[in-house]
Amino acid sequence: EPEVTQTPSHQVTQMGQEVILRCVPISNHLYFYWYRQILGQKVEFLVSFYNNEISEKSEIFDDQFSVERPDGSNFTLKIRSTKLEDSAMYFCASSGGREGQPQHFGDGTRLSIL
Amino acid sequence: KNQVEQSPQSLIILEGKNCTLQCNYTVSPFSNLRWYKQDTGRGPVSLTIMTFSENTKSNGRYTATLDADTKQSSLHITASQLSDSASYICVVSPLSGTYKYIFGTGTRLKVLA
Repeated sequence: EPEVTQTPSHQVTQMGQEVILRCVPISNHLYFYWYRQILGQKVEFLVSFYNNEISEKSEIFDDQFSVERPDGSNFTLKIRSTKLEDSAMYFCASSGGREGQPQHFGDGTRLSIL
Repeated sequence: KNQVEQSPQSLIILEGKNCTLQCNYTVSPFSNLRWYKQDTGRGPVSLTIMTFSENTKSNGRYTATLDADTKQSSLHITASQLSDSASYICVVSPLSGTYKYIFGTGTRLKVLA
């Protein structure tokens, strides 16, 4: 069964550095998402992406964050200047449609900011 | 404020037993309600999706129910297996057209042999 893959599985970065998290969604999916989960807390929506543009973003997704689909397969999340509070598990997801379609999640990237 | 609350926070049962997990939400109106299973260190996996007009949805040994009047949903697991040990997360989509799904904190289920 096709799956969403994320790399790296664990990223350790110094505060203030830029980090890029990478995702390869399921190939025929059209909708892409990033979520984060701070340790011990609930999953939180960050951003959705469709037709090469952001379709919706949360209050968490400020100017420090950006997303890109640089080619036909990758979907990236960039954090420009990381803060300690950015430490979390970041999940990428994709879906074939909007309403009623399941989202398929990757296994996440654990981001640790020192 | 839109919220999704789940109970219990954690649950331990013996293999072969049934269990029911609860989800209460204040999201209104809502488009759909989803249940996910999240194994430790893995991403969530979709179990069921129900629109506001559906009362029940099954996926193998998992059966989800929805009462839109009382804003409650439950996930019933039949004949539990060791592999059912995971967190189960209830997710509500606030209204049609938005991706800002609201996640509950989950119920941690442990199935013992």
